[in-house]
Amino acid sequence: KQEVTQIPAALSVPEGENLVLNCSFTDSAIYNLQWFRQDPGKGLTSLLLIQSSQREQTSGRLNASLDKSSGRSTLYIAASQPGDSATYLCAVEMDSSYKLIFGSGTRLLVRP
Amino acid sequence: DAGITQSPRHKVTETGTPVTLRCHQTENHRYMYWYRQDPGHGLRLIHYSYGVKDTDKGEVSDGYSVSRSKTEDFLLTLESATSSQTSVYFCAISERSETDTQYFGPGTRLTVL
Repeated sequence: KQEVTQIPAALSVPEGENLVLNCSFTDSAIYNLQWFRQDPGKGLTSLLLIQSSQREQTSGRLNASLDKSSGRSTLYIAASQPGDSATYLCAVEMDSSYKLIFGSGTRLLVRP
Repeated sequence: DAGITQSPRHKVTETGTPVTLRCHQTENHRYMYWYRQDPGHGLRLIHYSYGVKDTDKGEVSDGYSVSRSKTEDFLLTLESATSSQTSVYFCAISERSETDTQYFGPGTRLTVL
C-alpha cells in the first residue's frame, strides 16, 4: 500500500530564505507526483505536476524535483515571502488510476 | 478558479441523521472526486466518478454513498451520520489528460454531534 510522508510537519523561516520541503513515498510505481498549496479554510491549489518520466518542473520561484528510484520529491521555494505562508501537500497518482494519495502536509510560516 | 461550488459550506447535524453534500461544476469535466480532510491524515479519497452514473470506491468509502445523474453534479450522502464523519469534505474535478491535475472546491465543514 502506497504511503506518502512529508517532513517536517511545520516550518518557520524568515522572509527571503530559500527553503526545501520534502516528500517521500514507499512505492516507486507512480504515474505522477503533484504539489498543492492550501491556505487556511480554503481548498487546494495545484502548484506543480511532475510526470513519472520527468525529473523536475519549475514555476516562477518554485522548483519541484522527483527521484522515483529513491521515492523522494522536494519542493524548493526561492526567496520566500510572507505570502508563501500556507500548507503544502504532495500527492502521488498510481499507474493512471485517477486516484491521488496525499501526504499530511507541511505547514509553512514565512516571518516578515 | 475552476468553476466548482460546494453546498452547504457548513453543516451541524446529529448522530444518526442522513446528510447530503453537493458538488456542482461548470467546467464539464468528466471526473469528479470526494475527499475528506482530517488533522494528521491529509486528504483521503472517499468515492470518485468517471462519468454520469459511473462511480467507484476510494480509500475510505464505508458509510458513504454517491450519485451522479448529471455531468455537473456529484452528491455525497452519509446514510446515518456518525461522530467519526466529522470532517472537512472537498470535491475535486479533472479532465484526465497527461498534464491535467485536479481542481478543488472550497470545502464543506461537517460537524456530527
